[in-house]
Amino acid sequence: GAVVSQHPSRVICKSGTSVKIECRSLDFQATTMFWYRQFPKQSLMLMATSNEGSKATYEQGVEKDKFLINHASLTLSTLTVTSAHPEDSSFYICSAPLDRDTEAFFGQGTRLTVV
Amino acid sequence: RKEVEQDPGPFNVPEGATVAFNCTYSNSASQSFFWYRQDCRKEPKLLMSVYSSGNEDGRFTAQLNRASQYISLLIRDSKLSDSATYLCVVNTNAGKSTFGDGTTLTVKP
Repeated sequence: GAVVSQHPSRVICKSGTSVKIECRSLDFQATTMFWYRQFPKQSLMLMATSNEGSKATYEQGVEKDKFLINHASLTLSTLTVTSAHPEDSSFYICSAPLDRDTEAFFGQGTRLTVV
Repeated sequence: RKEVEQDPGPFNVPEGATVAFNCTYSNSASQSFFWYRQDCRKEPKLLMSVYSSGNEDGRFTAQLNRASQYISLLIRDSKLSDSATYLCVVNTNAGKSTFGDGTTLTVKP
């Protein structure tokens, strides 16, 4: 089946630094990928839609200058958390659908801890 | 009102019990529907798709009622390994997934 690979799985960084998270579709092309964030004991919340070759679409309340998304190829989307702060500590997960009517395939998630 | 609402839970049941989860969605234009399972600190994994005709996979049965915008999941003969959080997921156009808050199930010996 389709596989989405996300890297790194865990990262600890200092406040003020930037962290890049990669999301790859391994055996299919994904013109659209989605980035979610999940705080403890809460559901996954959509942050942004990553569109290959164009600007990402951000959900209300998500700062586009803080969460930079790049989708430069049909198999790779990256999320960069810039100037990270402790409140950015969360579980970040990407997904890519094969098409609009099928289930999305999720990456393994990245647990970010900002100290 | 949330786009996807689930039973708040938690559900604590003995092994062998039958348990049912309910979910409602507000966007009538929703295209497709799924139940996912999420174990602690892991990514969600697809449990099953949900169709209007109903579908069954072993001990799991899912049902969709488009008129009522209601989705259900029935688990029969619960196993310890069924303990997890179950997420109701609704896809709108272009594959965007909207998640319910999840219902936590704990199956006890």
